[in-house]
Amino acid sequence: DADVTQTPRNRITKTGKRIMLECSQTKGHDRMYWYRQDPGLGLRLIYYSFDVKDINKGEISDGYSVSRQAQAKFSLSLESAIPNQTALYFCATSDRLGATDTQYFGPGTRLTVL
Amino acid sequence: QQQVKQSPQSLIVQKGGISIINCAYENTAFDYFPWYQQFPGKGPALLIAIRPDVSEKKEGRFTISFNKSAKQFSLHIMDSQPGDSATYFCAATVSGGSNYKLTFGKGTLLTVNP
Repeated sequence: DADVTQTPRNRITKTGKRIMLECSQTKGHDRMYWYRQDPGLGLRLIYYSFDVKDINKGEISDGYSVSRQAQAKFSLSLESAIPNQTALYFCATSDRLGATDTQYFGPGTRLTVL
Repeated sequence: QQQVKQSPQSLIVQKGGISIINCAYENTAFDYFPWYQQFPGKGPALLIAIRPDVSEKKEGRFTISFNKSAKQFSLHIMDSQPGDSATYFCAATVSGGSNYKLTFGKGTLLTVNP
């Protein structure tokens, strides 16, 4: 969905490096999420934010941190990347007032940690 | 604790056949059950969703069947087409709450052979 953009789309980094994945949205949604996708494990929630001042840990937050710079921007950081953080990362948004509770996903960032 | 169990992990169907993907949940508070479809290289996108006040919802060739007493729901794809080849995720949540987030199944990779 072009309304949710992620940068970079692909990234190769080395163990121990700090890396930031960025997400921007033009949908005007309050809620934003970071997921990682691994084969056979589905989508697992890393962090989520319901507004600029609200940050919550998901089921697999260890080794990750986030920053909600504005309503439209939500960044995910790996302070010291390790190989088992190699995965496909997705940002998503949803509307607090939405009756359908639909989440809109970005195109993903493929991260490889060597 | 996996709150939404999805099966099968992969499925191969011939063109024109019926594809069936099953999900079971544990949390009786869940009241919104969406299915997401993900094509290679793309983020997941909402396909169809159901609330437990109905036992079935149909949109074109896609149908969700819901069994509240068994805590199970399934996606049926009628007249499956090669263009339906994708990964399908079921999900569940307590909608409208202050802590809204989706719990996803692990996904099913559907291949429809021509």
